[in-house]
Amino acid sequence: QSALTQPASVSGSPGQSITISCTGTSTDIGLYNYVSWYQQHPGEAPKLIIFDVSDRPSEVSNRFVGSKSGNTASLTISGLLAEDEADYYCSSFTTTNTLAFGGGTKLTVL
Amino acid sequence: VQLVESGGGLVRPGGSLRLSCAGSGFTFSNCAMAWVRQAPGKRLEWVADINGSGGTTYYAGSVKGRFTISRDNSINTVYLQMNSLRAEDTGFYYCAKGLSPYFSYSIDVRGKGTTVTVSS
Repeated sequence: QSALTQPASVSGSPGQSITISCTGTSTDIGLYNYVSWYQQHPGEAPKLIIFDVSDRPSEVSNRFVGSKSGNTASLTISGLLAEDEADYYCSSFTTTNTLAFGGGTKLTVL
Repeated sequence: VQLVESGGGLVRPGGSLRLSCAGSGFTFSNCAMAWVRQAPGKRLEWVADINGSGGTTYYAGSVKGRFTISRDNSINTVYLQMNSLRAEDTGFYYCAKGLSPYFSYSIDVRGKGTTVTVSS
């Protein structure tokens, strides 16, 4: 299955907001509202932080906001904290009944 | 919610392994289940999915015909039978629960994963 496209890295200072993009096609992100985002700290399992484009599990901070426009989904993190420094992955259901992941974005909190 | 994976290890190319994942703390049969993997320093890769009843399965192209996902809802366990293993199958394998009974449109990883190393 084809992978989704994410920037390799983004950075921001504590308290700032950053946005990570995830670009797909009309056969995945553009067609379905099954976009998810995951946070992965080094040596740990990935943690689900956004599902169905913009929904959050109850234990996830409302500083994490997901959205979608056309074939591109976005994750915005506001009020950056040092603990937000991690790798972030997007995923989307596809027309071939598979789950495609992005290449991951490393967030550095300066 | 807890998922505990087991069965990983070192295997020679062409060999087989069976991974198991025991779930607890949720209604197992109401959730699709998935296996995802991650090679060292690489992206997450979805491997296989099975619906809540176990009647429908889905596979990534890279493993189709070699891997088989199955589940036993009577003991809240999902399996991944891996045959004809290749070096590129090396990585950390995570079991995950879906939020839907039909497919794991989002994966919720609640275990620590298990390591698979394919090497001669």
